[in-house]
Amino acid sequence: EADIYQTPRYLVIGTGKKITLECSQTMGHDKMYWYQQDPGMELHLIHYSYGVNSTEKGDLSSESTVSRIRTEHFPLTLESARPSHTSQYLCASSTLWQLGQETQYFGPGTRLLVL
Amino acid sequence: AQRVTQPEKLLSVFKGAPVELKCNYSYSGSPELFWYVQYSRQRLQLLLRHISRESIKGFTADLNKGETSFHLKKPFAQEEDSAMYYCALHWPNFGNEKLTFGTGTRLTIIP
Repeated sequence: EADIYQTPRYLVIGTGKKITLECSQTMGHDKMYWYQQDPGMELHLIHYSYGVNSTEKGDLSSESTVSRIRTEHFPLTLESARPSHTSQYLCASSTLWQLGQETQYFGPGTRLLVL
Repeated sequence: AQRVTQPEKLLSVFKGAPVELKCNYSYSGSPELFWYVQYSRQRLQLLLRHISRESIKGFTADLNKGETSFHLKKPFAQEEDSAMYYCALHWPNFGNEKLTFGTGTRLTIIP
């Protein structure tokens, strides 16, 4: 079934650890996104990609990095986690933009807690 | 800069009463606006887009360019409408297309 997956769903980790949040989609979409969302707050775009080997920083500065080696896979990495990275991370994907038809499909999210 | 404002963080409405969730935007070009919804323990998902002029689950939203608004309305609220609602603006800046989300409004329908 076409879907967008995120793992892990929950992660509790100590300061200084390296972590990778996985995002995969089987929807055949070219565009993928990472958002950061604190509880009850707005979504902030931190990274996006228009296709393989394409990555761009979003509106909110983030110490994380991303890669897009395969169309379906868009992992996010934090080299050294800090408590300030505690948040929910949402992955999304969409087809190439057509007038007014932009629809982003979201994954279930990863809740990260850095102690 | 493109901006989306949802002035109400929380909104409580009695079942059967009309609902209006406010959204204002600032954008110099031709806006493309959307409403996304997140029900409890579910993913964020598209509710409706202005270009389709559609009614989804009884909700409609009209783009008012004069007032730069895209308010979401429903004449008779139902309990299952309780959710978090986000207004979003998409600007077709070639090579830099993305969505800007508002801060969201948590709608609670009182039985």
